[in-house]
Amino acid sequence: SQTIHQWPATLVQPVGSPLSLECTVEGTSNPNLYWYRQAAGRGLQLLFYSVGIGQISSEVPQNLSASRPQDRQFILSSKKLLLSDSGFYLCAWSREQGIYSNQPQHFGDGTRLSIL
Amino acid sequence: AQSVAQPEDQVNVAEGNPLTVKCTYSVSGNPYLFWYVQYPNRGLQFLLKYITGDNLVKGSYGFEAEFNKSQTSFHLKKPSALVSDSALYFCAVRDRSNTGGFKTIFGAGTRLFVKA
Repeated sequence: SQTIHQWPATLVQPVGSPLSLECTVEGTSNPNLYWYRQAAGRGLQLLFYSVGIGQISSEVPQNLSASRPQDRQFILSSKKLLLSDSGFYLCAWSREQGIYSNQPQHFGDGTRLSIL
Repeated sequence: AQSVAQPEDQVNVAEGNPLTVKCTYSVSGNPYLFWYVQYPNRGLQFLLKYITGDNLVKGSYGFEAEFNKSQTSFHLKKPSALVSDSALYFCAVRDRSNTGGFKTIFGAGTRLFVKA
């Protein structure tokens, strides 16, 4: 069966510090990968998605970046965090190719990021 | 552009009573529709989806949803609510992004409170 792991679960960082959040998927190959931010326990904002290694699409301009160095690894980064970067960050994967284009997304348990 | 709306921020229901969480959508073609549930400090969990065929879709934990094309709705229902159903519920519709991958549009979420 497939699993998705995110770490760390919680993170407290000072303003201006760098960030690296990691997400890995097991049990599937060539998944589509997604990073979302959820503010105040409500709606999801899609930040980045990737359809393959090295392929990153950005949905909103911001000081965050994403990378996919391996097929099942997705990393969210920042060189200098802002107060507004606080939130709950969720990674997700889905099986998208061909006849599987109607498949749901499967989410990790998130990282709660607090910027001080 | 495709969109999804959840008109209620919160739904309150007594345990044992039927529950409905509302969702309406706007798409240019035929929609793929999904419901997800989120418990505190967890990622979203997939409940059910509508792709084509029977308008009544059954999913996990006794939930079902009815697709109504004329009303462009996809309401989530359960005949008898449990206290453990209290959570945040998201409706979602699939959209083909401009780079060829599929993007999921999530509603703002509806918080369900089930009182004992």
